[in-house]
Amino acid sequence: EADIYQTPRYLVIGTGKKITLECSQTMGHDKMYWYQQDPGMELHLIHYSYGVNSTEKGDLSSESTVSRIRTEHFPLTLESARPSHTSQYLCASSDTGGLGELFFGEGSRLTVL
Amino acid sequence: QQQVKQSPQSLIVQKGGIPIINCAYENTAFDYFPWYQQFPGKGPALLIAIRPDVSEKKEGRFTISFNKSAKQFSLHIMDSQPGDSATYFCAASLNSGGSNYKLTFGKGTLLTVNP
Repeated sequence: EADIYQTPRYLVIGTGKKITLECSQTMGHDKMYWYQQDPGMELHLIHYSYGVNSTEKGDLSSESTVSRIRTEHFPLTLESARPSHTSQYLCASSDTGGLGELFFGEGSRLTVL
Repeated sequence: QQQVKQSPQSLIVQKGGIPIINCAYENTAFDYFPWYQQFPGKGPALLIAIRPDVSEKKEGRFTISFNKSAKQFSLHIMDSQPGDSATYFCAASLNSGGSNYKLTFGKGTLLTVNP
């Protein structure tokens, strides 16, 4: 069982609010990722980090930002949420020798009204 | 440009049937091909994976077939059960430098196994 936790699991907020989605892992993995998942299932990489103080943008452009101050923590922030940000956000981690095997959290479902 | 193409988008089979999900890739530098299974309300979880130097891998009722020359790989589920109903993603991994790997996912297949 993977030990990667996301909070909140569900969030409904109004337009213009600032939100932070939390992601923590207890496996000591150096690599962490954020994916956005469409209602139609497809997974899009929006941010990743290969270690503390290292963050990169993914394949899908996103208005969100991330930080990696501690190995175990990789929060995602939206400064001003809009309805177009409504989606499922999945956090994942992997270790150095894992050939890219990812361990996913259960996701945060964001709805912006 | 989608680097990993997955089909079909959805699939319905009867219990005991053998659903087959296919994926094709473009980049010959991919060196690891995992399949992920996702149940509703959960994150994807690694199901089974294969390296390109192997043509087939079995784990329980799940089998990956790999055709390196055709740049295709597929997932077969033997004796499928209603509990196998989930979304399945194929993926391909590429070394992006040092010990860093980057996964590219297919678009997913929603499998329904009817009782």
